[in-house]
Amino acid sequence: GIQVEQSPPDLILQEGANSTLRCNFSDSVNNLQWFHQNPWGQLINLFYIPSGTKQNGRLSATTVATERYSLLYISSSQTTDSGVYFCAVANPGTASKLTFGTGTRLQVTL
Amino acid sequence: DAGITQSPRHKVTETGTPVTLRCHQTENHRYMYWYRQDPGHGLRLIHYSYGVKDTDKGEVSDGYSVSRSKTEDFLLTLESATSSQTSVYFCAIRSGGGYEQYFGPGTRLTVT
Repeated sequence: GIQVEQSPPDLILQEGANSTLRCNFSDSVNNLQWFHQNPWGQLINLFYIPSGTKQNGRLSATTVATERYSLLYISSSQTTDSGVYFCAVANPGTASKLTFGTGTRLQVTL
Repeated sequence: DAGITQSPRHKVTETGTPVTLRCHQTENHRYMYWYRQDPGHGLRLIHYSYGVKDTDKGEVSDGYSVSRSKTEDFLLTLESATSSQTSVYFCAIRSGGGYEQYFGPGTRLTVT
């Protein structure tokens, strides 16, 4: 099956700093999603981005499907950004069954 | 909010007992999924459904069964719970217009 690797596994930032999270995947995809799991365990959809670039406020994402990677950018980080960020992908023709990476744990400090 | 609820939200049960978790959606989505989340593994797919009475296995289906007798409900059953099934279980739906999935709030299951 498809493999998903996320880096870095852990990240500590001071409030106001910027960061880049990376997701590498091993096969072609028709679904790539970024999620934020908050400290209460809720999975929040950030981006649906199988290709191209999107922005939503301080967050943006880019997926280069031909090179099989995606990047999530967080600018001017806030303490509320803390949590775990997951990348998940699905192959075409697989009923959108998602394969998740193991996540990047982000801690934003004052 | 994709109109997904899960019940119960927390459950403690003993080894060997049957357990059923319920996922309920209000927006008539065709595809529904059950995932489990364990430390160090991210989320892994257990079973999914692509319509009423249409289900298939995922990556970690051993020890689990599912049923979908109506569009809005997708049930996950542990026939005889084991300690290795202690986990957080998430239900998801696939949005009607594309491939994006949305997740419910999760059920924390502890098997003692």
